[in-house]
Amino acid sequence: EADIYQTPRYLVIGTGKKITLECSQTMGHDKMYWYQQDPGMELHLIHYSYGVNSTEKGDLSSESTVSRIRTEHFPLTLESARPSHTSQYLCASSDQRTANTEAFFGQGTRLTVV
Amino acid sequence: QKEVEQNSGPLSVPEGAIASLNCTYSDRGSQSFFWYRQYSGKSPELIMSIYSNGDKEDGRFTAQLNKASQYVSLLIRDSQPSDSATYLCAVIRDNRLAFGKGNQVVVIP
Repeated sequence: EADIYQTPRYLVIGTGKKITLECSQTMGHDKMYWYQQDPGMELHLIHYSYGVNSTEKGDLSSESTVSRIRTEHFPLTLESARPSHTSQYLCASSDQRTANTEAFFGQGTRLTVV
Repeated sequence: QKEVEQNSGPLSVPEGAIASLNCTYSDRGSQSFFWYRQYSGKSPELIMSIYSNGDKEDGRFTAQLNKASQYVSLLIRDSQPSDSATYLCAVIRDNRLAFGKGNQVVVIP
């Protein structure tokens, strides 16, 4: 079982609020990802990181920002939430230093902005 | 052209039959290939990884990779109702993990 955790699992918040979605992994993985997924739709990569102090934007433009100050922690922040940000956010990690580069997912955060 | 293509529509298979899923990818330099299963409302779960040409079997699942034709497939033998889910093909490209849109599989008892 993968040791990657996301909090909160569910979040309902008002428009204009600042929110931070937490993602932590205890596997020592250097690479971490954030994906956004609407119900029944495909996964879209919004941010990724190769390691500490490394962050890159993904394929889908997002108003969110990320930081990677510690290997195990990759939080995602929305400065001012809007209803269009309502979605499921999935965090994943992988170890690119080994031959097996499988990515493991957290349980996700379902965000609703009202 | 999308990085990872899964073009088949929903697949309905009778219980006990073989489900066959296909995926093509655009970057010939891709080296790592994965199949994930995602139940409705849940996060993706890795079921198979394959790195070299040929077949790889794990229980009822077989992944097949053909780098020359740039496709990877997944066979599910003896399909069970618990296999009903969306199956996502994923490829590592430019050090990023890119996913196809997924194929829904429905196993009919």
